[in-house]
Amino acid sequence: DSGVTQTPKHLITATGQRVTLRCSPRSGDLSVYWYQQSLDQGLQFLIQYYNGEERAKGNILERFSAQQFPDLHSELNLSSLELGDSALYFCASSVGGESSPLHFGNGTRLTVT
Amino acid sequence: GEDVEQSLFLSVREGDSSVINCTYTDSSSTYLYWYKQEPGAGLQLLTYIFSNMDMKQDQRLTVLLNKKDKHLSLRIADTQTGDSAIYFCAESTRGTGRRALTFGSGTRLQVQP
Repeated sequence: DSGVTQTPKHLITATGQRVTLRCSPRSGDLSVYWYQQSLDQGLQFLIQYYNGEERAKGNILERFSAQQFPDLHSELNLSSLELGDSALYFCASSVGGESSPLHFGNGTRLTVT
Repeated sequence: GEDVEQSLFLSVREGDSSVINCTYTDSSSTYLYWYKQEPGAGLQLLTYIFSNMDMKQDQRLTVLLNKKDKHLSLRIADTQTGDSAIYFCAESTRGTGRRALTFGSGTRLQVQP
C-alpha cells in the first residue's frame, strides 16, 4: 500500500458529462501529480501541485482542471467528456524535493460511453 | 526533448535472470526510476538511481546506468512467477520549475514456470 488514496475506483459516464476524481496524498507529502494512462498513449503527465499551488503542467486538455486544497488533497475535474477520455487516471504524491520519488495510488478507471 | 524507450515484451523461465532495458534522451536527467505495475494496480516504486551512479543493488534487483549511452537496465535475479508484471522506466526532468517523471511505454515481463 503506497499510502495514496484515490476515489472512486471506477467511474462510468456518458459523453458530454463532467466528473471529479479525488486524491489524498501520503501523510507528509506536499506534492501531488496527476497522470493519465491509456493504451495508445501510455502514461502522460497532466499536472503537478505543490502545497496548494500549481507547479508544472503537462499534456492537460483545457477541458480538464485540477486543484489542491489546504488539507493537501487534490481533485481532477474532467468536463465535456469524450470517448477518448476513457483511461486510467493516477494520482501520485511526493515530499517534493528533487530526489523524492513519486508514490502512486491505484488509480481511477474512467469509462466514457 | 524527453523520450524514454523500452522494449515491449520479455519472456523468461522461472529461476532465470531477467534484464529489462531502457534508453532515454534527456542528458539533464537527474534521477532514473523503475516502477512495477501489476494488473489492476497502480505503479509500485521498485528502485531508483541518481545519475552520477553507475550501479545500485537492492536484494534481487540490480540497476545499471550507462550515462554516456543514456542506457538504463534492471536485472532481476532468480525471477519468480510473482515478478510477472509491466515494468516502467522513468526519468526525472528538470526544467523551468518543472519536475515530473517521463515514463517509457513499459516492458511486459512474463515468467514461465
